[in-house]
Amino acid sequence: EVQLVQSGAEVKKPGESLKISCQGFGYRFNNFWIAWVRQTPEKGLEWMGFIYPEDSDFRYSPSFEGRVTISVDKSISSAFVQWSNLTASDTGIYYCVRKDGSGSGGFDVWGQGTTVSVS
Amino acid sequence: SSELTQPPSVSVSPGQTARITCSGDALPQQYSFWYQQKPGQAPVMLIYKDTERPSGIPGRFSGSTSGTEVTLTISGVLPEDEGDYYCQSADSSGKFYVFGGGTKVTVL
Repeated sequence: EVQLVQSGAEVKKPGESLKISCQGFGYRFNNFWIAWVRQTPEKGLEWMGFIYPEDSDFRYSPSFEGRVTISVDKSISSAFVQWSNLTASDTGIYYCVRKDGSGSGGFDVWGQGTTVSVS
Repeated sequence: SSELTQPPSVSVSPGQTARITCSGDALPQQYSFWYQQKPGQAPVMLIYKDTERPSGIPGRFSGSTSGTEVTLTISGVLPEDEGDYYCQSADSSGKFYVFGGGTKVTVL
């Protein structure tokens, strides 16, 4: 079964750092773009950026560039997003998602989500 | 502009047809996608490339497109179709991705 399994919920204080993870199973992890999507009650779903595991090519949303770092470790089929200085506005549910292989731009597999609370 | 606009809510009786619209300037150039999200769950892809259904998605879900607007149609709505629905696409360059604000479907 194709799935993305994310790390557990986090509770942090403003100014702290954080790195959450997403591990892929059941498919060739290196050959599909992985994106991160944030969900908040105020703004709904927001695309943060994505990374191609094979060569670490990446692209960030202008809204998130400079605020988060997306990375990957091919050896363990895992992608990460990290913050160096959390603020309350980073509170939300973070999903890792697989961009479909056809190149059409949709997200066909979603992780279960990681809840991040900053207060 | 890369914004996608959806109605906040749609109400429908069981067995009737629900239509959810999504409008955006880049939609004539970019594919659209639709996702369903139920409380406490991750979104699930319902429609890809404007009109295609992934395997396992019931045939009562369909997508259509007309100019700067795309539409998700749910025919013969079931109580289990209650939830939030999001459209997604890209900006005119195809480099940056965007979601609509979501539409809450209530089955009366």
